[in-house]
Amino acid sequence: EPEVTQTPSHQVTQMGQEVILRCVPISNHLYFYWYRQILGQKVEFLVSFYNNEISEKSEIFDDQFSVERPDGSNFTLKIRSTKLEDSAMYFCASREVPKGYNEQFFGPGTRLTVL
Amino acid sequence: AQKVTQAQTEISVVEKEDVTLDCVYETRDTTYYLFWYKQPPSGELVFLIRRNSFDEQNEISGRYSWNFQKSTSSFNFTITASQVVDSAVYFCALSEARTGANNLFFGTGTRLTVIP
Repeated sequence: EPEVTQTPSHQVTQMGQEVILRCVPISNHLYFYWYRQILGQKVEFLVSFYNNEISEKSEIFDDQFSVERPDGSNFTLKIRSTKLEDSAMYFCASREVPKGYNEQFFGPGTRLTVL
Repeated sequence: AQKVTQAQTEISVVEKEDVTLDCVYETRDTTYYLFWYKQPPSGELVFLIRRNSFDEQNEISGRYSWNFQKSTSSFNFTITASQVVDSAVYFCALSEARTGANNLFFGTGTRLTVIP
């Protein structure tokens, strides 16, 4: 069964460093998302991406964040200068372009630890 | 603005007991979608069910059942004859059709512990 994959599973970085989190969405899906979950808290929407541009973004998704689809398969989230409060689980999700509505399928997550 | 409230932070039940997880939502959209996701200790998010706002039929899938009531803006989830493997955090989520991207807005989750 097709699934969303994410790499790495765990990333440790120093405050101020740049990190790139990678996702490979399901191949025929065209909508992509990043969500964040700070430990013990709820899952929060960051950004959605469609047709090579950001569709929507939340207040959390400030100038230090960016997303890119560098090729036909990867979808990346870059954090330019990490802060301690960026430590969280980051989930990628994808879905088909619907005629009705299609579920978002989530990857296993990348745990980011900022020291 | 949208909002999802899961008032139960933690619930503990003894195995084989039934348990209901509550979810109350707020939205101005007339067309929206409601979801339940399970997050086991391993951390991934597992899709359980989607409900459209125009379909108030309740649904049963094995030991799981969902009660959607637009009149009270609730979408409750019942596990019958709970098992230890049901121990997880359960999230209710809302998606509004007005946003073409259909972003998910999650509640704060309910941690269910099933005691053997």
